[in-house]
Amino acid sequence: KAGVTQTPRYLIKTRGQQVTLSCSPISGHRSVSWYQQTPGQGLQFLFEYFSETQRNKGNFPGRFSGRQFSNSRSEMNVSTLELGDSALYLCASSGGLAGASSTDTQYFGPGTRLTVL
Amino acid sequence: AQKITQTQPGMFVQEKEAVTLDCTYDTSDQSYGLFWYKQPSSGEMIFLIYQGSYDEQNATEGRYSLNFQKARKSANLVISASQLGDSAMYFCAMRPSGYSTLTFGKGTMLLVSP
Repeated sequence: KAGVTQTPRYLIKTRGQQVTLSCSPISGHRSVSWYQQTPGQGLQFLFEYFSETQRNKGNFPGRFSGRQFSNSRSEMNVSTLELGDSALYLCASSGGLAGASSTDTQYFGPGTRLTVL
Repeated sequence: AQKITQTQPGMFVQEKEAVTLDCTYDTSDQSYGLFWYKQPSSGEMIFLIYQGSYDEQNATEGRYSLNFQKARKSANLVISASQLGDSAMYFCAMRPSGYSTLTFGKGTMLLVSP
């Protein structure tokens, strides 16, 4: 079974631009979560989508948004980029069982490394 | 709110030796799951092992085992017979039942020397 894929793997943008990252989950998985990883803040949860609906949201400004399509693929968008948005963005997929059982393991993609100049 | 603490920023171990990576957690939830992930320099987070809060036995997956002490709220990862390929960052994470969000610790960098 193919794993989680993320595109692009690397991205360089300038301040003020916007960017869209893509994530394709493991086949059959309906939940997609996004995390931001930086050296200073570590791994922080951005949001989770399940069946095309945002189910959970982390503490990030409205410049960070996402969506999920009917085939469970997800996109994350960051508008008006800031230098502090430079990070590794990780996508994770899981079955997303009803109620999100604690056994519902999240499997991660390789990440998109975003650099904002 | 959940909190994960990994007190060891870095650990060194010789090949073929066992190593324990510490993880303590804080939560008011009764039902939750604990996870360990490995992140090589390539960046991908690799799932290693899972322990449920109601599991009576410690989880094991090949060379990985989880030393779960619920009363002490600790979930240490034990890697037996370390290999050079084990050199990576290791993250402890948890999630309560009913939520999808993983809360991660700061991680421990493990270096395995020949």
